[in-house]
Amino acid sequence: DVKVTQSSRYLVKRTGEKVFLECVQDMDHENMFWYRQDPGLGLRLIYFSYDVKMKEKGDIPEGYSVSREKKERFSLILESASTNQTSMYLCASTYPPGGKSYGYTFGSGTRLTVV
Amino acid sequence: EDQVTQSPEALRLQEGESSSLNCSYTVSGLRGLFWYRQDPGKGPEFLFTLYSAGEEKEKERLKATLTKKESFLHITAPKPEDSATYLCAVPEPTGGGNKLTFGTGTQLKVEL
Repeated sequence: DVKVTQSSRYLVKRTGEKVFLECVQDMDHENMFWYRQDPGLGLRLIYFSYDVKMKEKGDIPEGYSVSREKKERFSLILESASTNQTSMYLCASTYPPGGKSYGYTFGSGTRLTVV
Repeated sequence: EDQVTQSPEALRLQEGESSSLNCSYTVSGLRGLFWYRQDPGKGPEFLFTLYSAGEEKEKERLKATLTKKESFLHITAPKPEDSATYLCAVPEPTGGGNKLTFGTGTQLKVEL
């Protein structure tokens, strides 16, 4: 079974800490994404990557950075965690689109609480 | 800007009571429409991809249909285990990377 694996299901961090969220996929997908999901706001795109060492800002990149050193791994970094970054974080991956688009495969999510 | 709107926001059904969820979209050159199921505290799970108006896909009690303006997820004789949030999404019409725009979902509760 193909998988997107997020390293932690639950995390509790203190304000000001640097936080790393890891995501690994085993499907040889070029495209990877980080979303956050909040009640009433739906899924919002933070960053995405088309290929190794390539990254682009999504809709809400402030306070976040990413790293993609290997094709299978896409890391989300909270430079200095704040309470408003408490959220569910979802990683996803997919093939690049051709004439048609391909859907995402999601990880199981990381519930981050910043105290 | 692309818009994906889902309705209703929440739906409560009795077991066996069939209904439909709606996903309307405004995007030109549709390159696909995706339905996902999300259980509380988990990541979305892929259900269906639809590519062209008139297309239909089925899986157990679920059937997804697509027109030029909207998609429906029909739930026939639902069971409590169908309770979840159902999300639809469409890709951006141009550009690479396959970015999806998601609706805010319909939260379905099926009661005995």
